[in-house]
Amino acid sequence: DAKTTQPDSMESTEGETVHLPCSHATISGNEYIYWYRQVPLQGPEYVTHGLQQNTTNSMAFLAIASDRKSSTLILPHVSLRDAAVYHCIRMNNNAGAKLTFGGGTRLTVRP
Amino acid sequence: GGIITQTPKFLIGQEGQKLTLKCQQNFNHDTMYWYRQDSGKGLRLIYYSITENDLQKGDLSEGYDASREKKSSFSLTVTSAQKNEMAVFLCASSATGLQDTQYFGPGTRLLVL
Repeated sequence: DAKTTQPDSMESTEGETVHLPCSHATISGNEYIYWYRQVPLQGPEYVTHGLQQNTTNSMAFLAIASDRKSSTLILPHVSLRDAAVYHCIRMNNNAGAKLTFGGGTRLTVRP
Repeated sequence: GGIITQTPKFLIGQEGQKLTLKCQQNFNHDTMYWYRQDSGKGLRLIYYSITENDLQKGDLSEGYDASREKKSSFSLTVTSAQKNEMAVFLCASSATGLQDTQYFGPGTRLLVL
């Protein structure tokens, strides 16, 4: 079972940089680390993914530990729109690989 | 960019009724998926399809049928709706090959009376 461990919830204030941790101690060599986020009444939104190297895009920076057993999603200068449940997922690179969401981390952003 | 459209947004059915949900994508992606999400829970894969007319069962296929009529569309049928059932059905698509990032539609919310 491709499990990850994340805190249930985190709080922040607008403008802060948020670090969302994820543990995936048993990750396999062909598994990528994906991050999605979801707000009520909407489908999951892709945030970013990586294999070994840190990655960055317009939404976030993904820092992956050198042993790949953990990763941190870094959200710079969060706004109220960043409030969501963030899911960290392990997934292999085969076509048809299924996503398995756990509970994720509920990020609350205060004005 | 592209978009995934799901219809209807909300679906209210009767117990025992056959209900069909539709999904369209204009990413030109090869692979499409149907997931079910129950309140406060994660996703469970129902069916997926890696190309037109292909169908692969997921973990939750019992009680459902699916049809990949063409590359851009993937339908899901609830063969017999269960009383008091309430869930969100999410359609997703991904390009074939490595790093299959899946992009999701907004979901269809089902309520069975």
